[in-house]
Amino acid sequence: QVQLQESGPGLVEPSQTLSLTCTVSGGSISSGGYFWSWIRQPAGKGLEWIGRIYTTGSTNYNPSLKSRLTISVDTSENQFSLKLTSVIAADTAVYYCAREWVYYASGSLYDYWGQGTLVTVSS
Amino acid sequence: DIQMTQSPSSLSASLGDRVTFTCRASQSIGTYLNWYQQKPGKAPKVLIYAASRLQSGVPSRFSGSGSGTDFTLTISSLQPEDFATYYCQQTYSTPTWTFGQGTKVEIK
Repeated sequence: QVQLQESGPGLVEPSQTLSLTCTVSGGSISSGGYFWSWIRQPAGKGLEWIGRIYTTGSTNYNPSLKSRLTISVDTSENQFSLKLTSVIAADTAVYYCAREWVYYASGSLYDYWGQGTLVTVSS
Repeated sequence: DIQMTQSPSSLSASLGDRVTFTCRASQSIGTYLNWYQQKPGKAPKVLIYAASRLQSGVPSRFSGSGSGTDFTLTISSLQPEDFATYYCQQTYSTPTWTFGQGTKVEIK
């Protein structure tokens, strides 16, 4: 059973960098056919796709966040990470990491999720 | 960006009711549409993918239909554990996916 667990500071000051790590257990992050993704959800609101990374290090980012975002992977530690720079209050959200299974061409779904971690941007 | 619009934003229903709600895409997305269920304080869980395929382990009372721009999620007989918020997600515009704003199912 694959499990994902987010970790990182719960409070980040405005203009600073938000850094989160997702540790994968029960399976190898190097397995083909899967992307490793970040999704966030402000309190009481909907889901926003942040970005994803493949085991090779290839990334895709949400255009609205691209200028501030870096997603990286550490296959030796079976982890992937998110860094979001110059954060503002609007970046306050529950951040989820998830495994994306590509079943066909553009067809994919998130089949395993972390429990989510609340990150608050405030001084 | 492809916009996903869900309706209604919330609904009240009773145990045993047949419940249907919809998701509309701003342009055709074929059948690249997923449905997720989210309970308070929990991560979303996929129910339906490719518009109508039931994810492994999901009860058969859940079904999905549609293609192009209009999609439907149906719960044939509402159970206590089904009270939650449901989100649709398009994966047509790889890799910039978007979710609907959600439909909250509450107890009448």
